[in-house]
Amino acid sequence: EPEVTQTPSHQVTQMGQEVILRCVPISNHLYFYWYRQILGQKVEFLVSFYNNEISEKSEIFDDQFSVERPDGSNFTLKIRSTKLEDSAMYFCASSLAGGSSHTQYFGPGTRLTVL
Amino acid sequence: GESVGLHLPTLSVQEGDNSIINCAYSNSASDYFIWYKQESGKGPQFIIDIRSNMDKRQGQRVTVLLNKTVKHLSLQIAATQPGDSAVYFCAEQAYGNKLVFGAGTILRVKS
Repeated sequence: EPEVTQTPSHQVTQMGQEVILRCVPISNHLYFYWYRQILGQKVEFLVSFYNNEISEKSEIFDDQFSVERPDGSNFTLKIRSTKLEDSAMYFCASSLAGGSSHTQYFGPGTRLTVL
Repeated sequence: GESVGLHLPTLSVQEGDNSIINCAYSNSASDYFIWYKQESGKGPQFIIDIRSNMDKRQGQRVTVLLNKTVKHLSLQIAATQPGDSAVYFCAEQAYGNKLVFGAGTILRVKS
């Protein structure tokens, strides 16, 4: 069964450093997403991406964040200058199409620790 | 400031019993609802979904009930097994692509 994959599984970085989190969505899916989950808290939406453009973003997704589909398979989340409060699990998801009734399938996550 | 973690409700059931996990959603405009299961250290795993034009949907060992009048969603798991132990999240979708997740419920299955 096709799955969303993410690398690395755990990333440790110093405050102020840039990090890039990588995802390979399910191959025939067209919509891609990033969510995050701070330890012990809810899963929160960050951004959705379709046709090489951001289609929706939350207030969390400020200028420090960017997303890119650098090739036909990868989808990345970049945090330019990490802060302590960026420490969280970051989940990538993908869906066949957008809007309601199209299931979003999640990857295993990358645990980001900012020191 | 210091973040405070959520104190998730916990449901403890005996293996073989049925489990019912409840969720109150917030947006009356939401028209699609999903239950996800999250095991420790893993991402949310799709279990079952339901659209707002339905009030019940059944899967294998799972049933989702939707009550739009009171904005309530429930997940019923029949013959609960140890492998069902996890955190269960409901999520709602109103417009656009954003899923809004609930706080989660811990399900513990006792053998």
